[in-house]
Amino acid sequence: QVQLVQSGAEVAKPGASVKVSCETSGYTFTGYYLHWVRQEPGQGLEWMGWINPNSGVTKYAQRFQGRLTLTRDTSITTVFLYLGRLRSADTAVYYCARVGVGATDFEFWGQGSLVTVSS
Amino acid sequence: QSALTQPASVTGSPGQSITISCTGTSGDVGGYNFVSWYQEHPGKVPKLMIYDVNKRPSGVSYRFSGSKSGNTASLSISGLQAEDEADYYCSSYTNSRNSYVIFGGGTKLTVL
Repeated sequence: QVQLVQSGAEVAKPGASVKVSCETSGYTFTGYYLHWVRQEPGQGLEWMGWINPNSGVTKYAQRFQGRLTLTRDTSITTVFLYLGRLRSADTAVYYCARVGVGATDFEFWGQGSLVTVSS
Repeated sequence: QSALTQPASVTGSPGQSITISCTGTSGDVGGYNFVSWYQEHPGKVPKLMIYDVNKRPSGVSYRFSGSKSGNTASLSISGLQAEDEADYYCSSYTNSRNSYVIFGGGTKLTVL
């Protein structure tokens, strides 16, 4: 079965960077794009970007350009999110998600990783 | 880019039917059949309920259905049950250079 297992909660200071991992299993890693979606406390869902695990090509939402980097390691079927120049507004739960049969339907989700930005 | 527009809240009684709307533009909802709906219970991971406007993933109840007219998509739930009480989010592919998928602001469904 498809599984996405994310790294644990992180606390970071304003201006610092954070790394979140998403280890996948149960399917062909290079066959499906992986997306990242975040949810600020009490707020809605926000798409951040995707990575093609086969080629490493990425696409980011404009509001995260310059601060967000997505990478992958095919040897351990894991994708990574790096978010820099953190501010308090980046406090959120970060999810990795894999599409199902379509291109934009997020059928499989990681359990979420809470990132808290606080001085 | 602005989020898709959903009502903040919807209320229904057990056994009734409700509909949640999701309004976008011709650059997202109206232009593509890539609308999805997610159910989110407090503290839980979002669950895909509808994709490609009106398709149900395996395991999702037939009580959930989706449709679209122009720039507005809709999620309908029939035979409301207490367990349906949750937040519901729509999403759509967007042709904006600034993004790829855009979400709605979410609708809180209360089952009285």
